[in-house]
Amino acid sequence: GIQVEQSPPDLILQEGANSTLRCNFSDSVNNLQWFHQNPWGQLINLFYIPSGTKQNGRLSATTVATERYSLLYISSSQTTDSGVYFCAVDRLRNSGYSTLTFGKGTMLLVSP
Amino acid sequence: SAVISQKPSRDICQRGTSLTIQCQVDSQVTMMFWYRQQPGQSLTLIATANQGSEATYESGFVIDKFPISRPNLTFSTLTVSNMSPEDSSIYLCSVSNTEAFFGQGTRLTVV
Repeated sequence: GIQVEQSPPDLILQEGANSTLRCNFSDSVNNLQWFHQNPWGQLINLFYIPSGTKQNGRLSATTVATERYSLLYISSSQTTDSGVYFCAVDRLRNSGYSTLTFGKGTMLLVSP
Repeated sequence: SAVISQKPSRDICQRGTSLTIQCQVDSQVTMMFWYRQQPGQSLTLIATANQGSEATYESGFVIDKFPISRPNLTFSTLTVSNMSPEDSSIYLCSVSNTEAFFGQGTRLTVV
């Protein structure tokens, strides 16, 4: 099956710093999403980004589908950015529907 | 987007018992998905639930352990049967058209 690798696995930042999270995937995908899992376990949709670049406030993401990677940028980090960031790719099954395969995540801790 | 209500949000259960998790969506969807997240791990797909047919289970998951119901296009349940401490996880339901959305999760602790 498809492999999704995220780096770094852990990241500690001082509040106000910038960071880049990376997601590599092993095969062509239909779609790619970035999620933030908060300390209560809820998955928050950040970006739906099969290709190109999107921005939402202090966050932005770029997916280069031809080179099979995506980047998530966090600028001017805040303590509320702490949590786990997951990349997930969407692959089409033989049955005709798509399912998500998740990377192992990047655990981010932003300290005051 | 989709709004997904999942309950219970958390529970502590005795080993050997069963827990049923409910997932309600605010719109009709063809497929609903159930995921498990073991402590400190990523999400793993348990099964896909299509209304009107039996759920399709991923490798390593069986219907006797994780029976799923899908009585209509907005609702599904996942039961974790005969629980052991190894079943302690977060269980999440999800729907997707192009973008996937998740319920708030059920944090299960088995003692």
